[in-house]
Amino acid sequence: SAVISQKPSRDICQRGTSLTIQCQVDSQVTMMFWYRQQPGQSLTLIATANQGSEATYESGFVIDKFPISRPNLTFSTLTVSNMSPEDSSIYLCSVQAGRGGYTFGSGTRLTVV
Amino acid sequence: AQKVTQAQTEISVVEKEDVTLDCVYETRDTTYYLFWYKQPPSGELVFLIRRNSFDEQNEISGRYSWNFQKSTSSFNFTITASQVVDSAVYFCALSEAQNRDDKIIFGKGTRLHILP
Repeated sequence: SAVISQKPSRDICQRGTSLTIQCQVDSQVTMMFWYRQQPGQSLTLIATANQGSEATYESGFVIDKFPISRPNLTFSTLTVSNMSPEDSSIYLCSVQAGRGGYTFGSGTRLTVV
Repeated sequence: AQKVTQAQTEISVVEKEDVTLDCVYETRDTTYYLFWYKQPPSGELVFLIRRNSFDEQNEISGRYSWNFQKSTSSFNFTITASQVVDSAVYFCALSEAQNRDDKIIFGKGTRLHILP
């Protein structure tokens, strides 16, 4: 199944700044998914990223706040813009994997101060 | 709309006891997929199982077993002879086949504590 390299693994950022998270997959995949996991909570889908088209955002998430790039079939970035402490979360990318499951990156633990 | 409910927020059992984690789902699709994931304290998500809606056979993998019942829209997960290493948050998830984006929706998770 696919292997995802996600970075950075963690970061502490000042409010008002932006952070770009990268996910590199070891095989070509059609769709990549970005999730947010707030402290002690479940995973919430932010957006689905297809190569060559704009990402599809879920209700409550907007492109200005979470711009996504998908330049090719193995790579995607998620930017968390104009950060506030409420953005402190774990951010994960995901792709479909073998056996019908979904593989997740190791996550980016973001703390905004 | 799809929805996954894990009513048990937190469970504690003593090592070697059996424990069942409940999952109830809602979907309007006739074809869908159900998943279980484990998230240990280290934070990574570990894929455990996928079941499609046409396969109601129960599955056993070592100490893990899953009971899928379409009549009650449930996909429960049982750990037999629990071990401390089973301590984690467990998520049940659902994906609808009609959903062109193939996205999966997660339940809120059940935090399982296995006490030595």
